[in-house]
Formats: sequence, C-alpha cells, structure tokens
Amino acid sequence: AQTVTQSQPEMSVQEAETVTLSCTYDTSESDYYLFWYKQPPSRQMILVIRQEAYKQQNATENRFSVNFQKAAKSFSLKISDSQLGDAAMYFCAYRSGGNQFYFGTGTSLTVIP
Amino acid sequence: GAVVSQHPSWVICKSGTSVKIECRSLDFQATTMFWYRQFPKQSLMLMATSNEGSKATYEQGVEKDKFLINHASLTLSTLTVTSAHPEDSSFYICSALLRAYGYTFGSGTRLTVV
Repeated sequence: AQTVTQSQPEMSVQEAETVTLSCTYDTSESDYYLFWYKQPPSRQMILVIRQEAYKQQNATENRFSVNFQKAAKSFSLKISDSQLGDAAMYFCAYRSGGNQFYFGTGTSLTVIP
Repeated sequence: GAVVSQHPSWVICKSGTSVKIECRSLDFQATTMFWYRQFPKQSLMLMATSNEGSKATYEQGVEKDKFLINHASLTLSTLTVTSAHPEDSSFYICSALLRAYGYTFGSGTRLTVV
C-alpha cells in the first residue's frame, strides 16, 4: 500500500524568507503523480503544485518549487519569499495510476511578520 | 477553471436524523468523485469513490449503510449520513478527478450532530 509521510507537523518561516517542507512516500508503482495542496483556515483545498513521476524536471509555480527525488521517494516543497498569505496547512499527496489518492498528515506553516 | 460546489457548508442536526451533502461540478462532467472526512488538525481520509451510474466503492472500515453515496448524474454526487450520531461530527469534503489537473475540491461541509 502507498503511504505518504510528512515528518514536520509544524514549521515557521520569517516573512520574505525561504522554507522547505518535507514529504516522503512509499510505492511500488512507476507511474504516479505527486501534489502539494494548501488548506488555509477556510479549509478549502487549494492545489499548489503537481509533479508527474515520469518527468525528471522539478515542477515550479512562481514562488513554489519542488525537489523531486524519485529514487529516494522524496518530494519536498520549497516556498521562496514567504508571504503572510502562505500560512496554512500543507498536505503532500500521492495519486496512483489507478487514481487512488493518499494524503500525508500535513504540515502547519506559520509565517512570522 | 473547474469548480466543485459543495453544500451545505455547515449543518447542525439532531442525533438520529439523516443529513444529505451535495457536491456539484459546475463547468465540467465528473465521472468520478471522491468523499473525504477530516477530523480537526488531521489529514483527509478517503471514505469512498463515487462513480456515475454505478455503486460507490468504499474504503475499508467505512460503513456503506451509514454513508450512502449516490452519483446519479455526471455533475452531482451526494453523501447522506444516515441516523447521525455525535461521533459522525466532522468535516466532509468532496473532490472530482480532473485528468489534466489532478483533483479539484469542494469547500467542505462541517457537520455537527447534537
């Protein structure tokens, strides 16, 4: 079974600084997708970034980028120039080739003004 | 962009009654929708996968007779919590599979059973 692990329950970052959130996963599949979702206090799930496992190039979306290490089964999220609006719960997620979706336990990010 | 509308956003019901939560895809057809449950400060736990025109697939440990799922059209899936009890109080979220994007989520429903 696939599992997604986020080892950092809480993280904090100074405004304008950079923070990296960790995520590891376990799978025997070769074809899958990885995601980072943000859940602010409103609890609406917002897609931050996604990565296809077959792509070697790390995905980037403005201030958000990932470090995808397929062999190590690691998928970390880097937030650059952190803003107050980035404060939220961040969930790493794995989608299998069969469209089953697994979430990590989440990392609560605090941005310090 | 693809939007999933979920309502009600908050519902309070008496113990023993049933509550229906709706999830609609507004500008696309969703052949597959998913229902999640989230306890405070915890992750989303998949409850079931809802397929249009067929029976839902429930995750292990989820009571199918208690959490009735209907996906009668390509734009609507419903979750009915039957004979609700206080332990059913939780945050329920639906999502739809978009092949180009992954998943898009509804805004969630906070259920409080008193």
